[in-house]
Amino acid sequence: DAKTTQPTSMDCAEGRAANLPCNHSTISGNEYVYWYRQIHSQGPQYIIHGLKNNETNEMASLIITEDRKSSTLILPHATLRDTAVYYCIVSDYKLSFGAGTTVTVRA
Amino acid sequence: GAGVSQSPSNKVTEKGKDVELRCDPISGHTALYWYRQSLGQGLEFLIYFQGNSAPDKSGLPSDRFSAERTGGSVSTLTIQRTQQEDSAVYLCASSLNRVREQYFGPGTRLTVT
Repeated sequence: DAKTTQPTSMDCAEGRAANLPCNHSTISGNEYVYWYRQIHSQGPQYIIHGLKNNETNEMASLIITEDRKSSTLILPHATLRDTAVYYCIVSDYKLSFGAGTTVTVRA
Repeated sequence: GAGVSQSPSNKVTEKGKDVELRCDPISGHTALYWYRQSLGQGLEFLIYFQGNSAPDKSGLPSDRFSAERTGGSVSTLTIQRTQQEDSAVYLCASSLNRVREQYFGPGTRLTVT
């Protein structure tokens, strides 16, 4: 699996958009970009995934650069419940989490 | 609807004992995965089942670990002769197929004393 690089932490104001970057310069052609999050002591929660095109669902938007070497997860209106560790993974199907980005949403 | 369930939620065992962990996937999900997450560590893939195909066992750390999936539904992860380094949260996930989103269970916290 390709490795990813994410910032260690970031803060976001409640109600504002949170933009989480991820670099994956060694991604291969059959690998998807997945985003999951994990709230303390809970199982990971799926957010969104994509291959080449930008994707949007009820939780977030995923912007993938044309060369697929980086992506951005956008939480359009962050709430306090969005405080979690966010993981960017590039894989065919086996997930492997690194350290992720600890996102703290502040009132 | 019902999500992925796992049992037990917590298991404390003595070193050298065998343990069995159970996973009930979401009904209709043909893909099932086992992962483990150690304290301060990331998520580690263990094994993947897809329908009637041979499982992908490439993540199992040793031959003390095995898993089976009966009838394409319930799965059991067995760890024989447990060691202290096996202490972790064991997570099960299921999905409609292998490139779709995976839904995780709450995990089983295994402590080997």
